[in-house]
Amino acid sequence: GESVGLHLPTLSVQEGDNSIINCAYSNSASDYFIWYKQESGKGPQFIIDIRSNMDKRQGQRVTVLLNKTVKHLSLQIAATQPGDSAVYFCAENTPWGATNKLIFGTGTLLAVQP
Amino acid sequence: ETGVTQTPRHLVMGMTNKKSLKCEQHLGHNAMYWYKQSAKKPLELMFVYNFKEQTENNSVPSRFSPECPNSSHLFLHLHTLQPEDSALYLCASSHSDGNTEAFFGQGTRLTVV
Repeated sequence: GESVGLHLPTLSVQEGDNSIINCAYSNSASDYFIWYKQESGKGPQFIIDIRSNMDKRQGQRVTVLLNKTVKHLSLQIAATQPGDSAVYFCAENTPWGATNKLIFGTGTLLAVQP
Repeated sequence: ETGVTQTPRHLVMGMTNKKSLKCEQHLGHNAMYWYKQSAKKPLELMFVYNFKEQTENNSVPSRFSPECPNSSHLFLHLHTLQPEDSALYLCASSHSDGNTEAFFGQGTRLTVV
């Protein structure tokens, strides 16, 4: 079946440390993956994406790694700041008929300690 | 701001009420989505509209009725809901080619009493 799951439901880090959030997916046909950040009272916001023909992509302070062999995705946040505290979701974009659908994991709560 | 606007932000309704949620985007997207977000559960895809045509109904009860009059507007009509339907309802839009991310609205926090 299809599933996207997160290994750690809660991650607590010290300000300034690097954070790593992991995600597993099961649909090998998925060709596009997205990380979203959701702050309290807001909708999910796009952070970074990666396509299946890549294994690494870097943004500003964030890096996404894709390992298609083991169907694993990770989000690395460098020098974590208090403003990074939020729930982080990975999502896989799966072809579905004439369109696509995003399948989300349960989310990881990132708590940054000052 | 993501360019996707949802109204109202908060809604309290009784089980016999009829209400509607509204979503609007002017990003030029052709696909629009309704998601349900309950506490400690993954986002659940409810409906997908692609070029105003419904392409997905993810086994959603008939007390939820979507409407997509054009590519920029999406409604979710609510009727005789149950308390367990209380959740955050999120609207999203994207290009229909599936090669770009979906943009989400702020959501409507629905409480059924």
